[in-house]
Amino acid sequence: ETGVTQTPRHLVMGMTNKKSLKCEQHLGHNAMYWYKQSAKKPLELMFVYNFKEQTENNSVPSRFSPECPNSSHLFLHLHTLQPEDSALYLCASSQERRGYQPQHFGDGTRLSIL
Amino acid sequence: AQSVTQPDIHITVSEGASLELRCNYSYGATPYLFWYVQSPGQGLQLLLKYFSGDTLVQGIKGFEAEFKRSQSSFNLRKPSVHWSDAAEYFCAVGSNDYKLSFGAGTTVTVRA
Repeated sequence: ETGVTQTPRHLVMGMTNKKSLKCEQHLGHNAMYWYKQSAKKPLELMFVYNFKEQTENNSVPSRFSPECPNSSHLFLHLHTLQPEDSALYLCASSQERRGYQPQHFGDGTRLSIL
Repeated sequence: AQSVTQPDIHITVSEGASLELRCNYSYGATPYLFWYVQSPGQGLQLLLKYFSGDTLVQGIKGFEAEFKRSQSSFNLRKPSVHWSDAAEYFCAVGSNDYKLSFGAGTTVTVRA
């Protein structure tokens, strides 16, 4: 499924680097989400955007900074990350920000912090 | 707040055999229930969803799930697995607002 596209697919960065993850959805959805997936742990919701407005910050450290310039694009800016931030970062979108709306996921960015 | 438990971390099944993955949820109101599958190196793909009505739900790839309110369960089944069904499976429950809570996942290995 190519409805939600994430780039890059893999990213290796040092703890002092600054990088950004990009997500683009072609489904005409109005809500977008960032999740963190660590091994053997449930998906952790990080941020939620609804019609470009941030509606949820799930106690995420400030070294992660989201940006949503429009309903189709979502970014996650990274700086001064820690080794425990190594994980798969998944972007998702849904038609509306409602619990009954299925979320459609991208293939994720595998992030490794050196 | 809602929560999901997937009791089985890992299941191994022979190709052609039946598969059942367990999911128990906790939520005070009528739940919105989902099953997703994640193949290696990929994101999550929606298999099926339950909101109301018929408690037996059909999904893609030959999967079905049954909602049992009395047991707070939403188990996923497939009558005959294929090698391509090897993946990680996630059960999720949605609340009346927007939050989707996922279980920790069940890894399915298919042996020839």
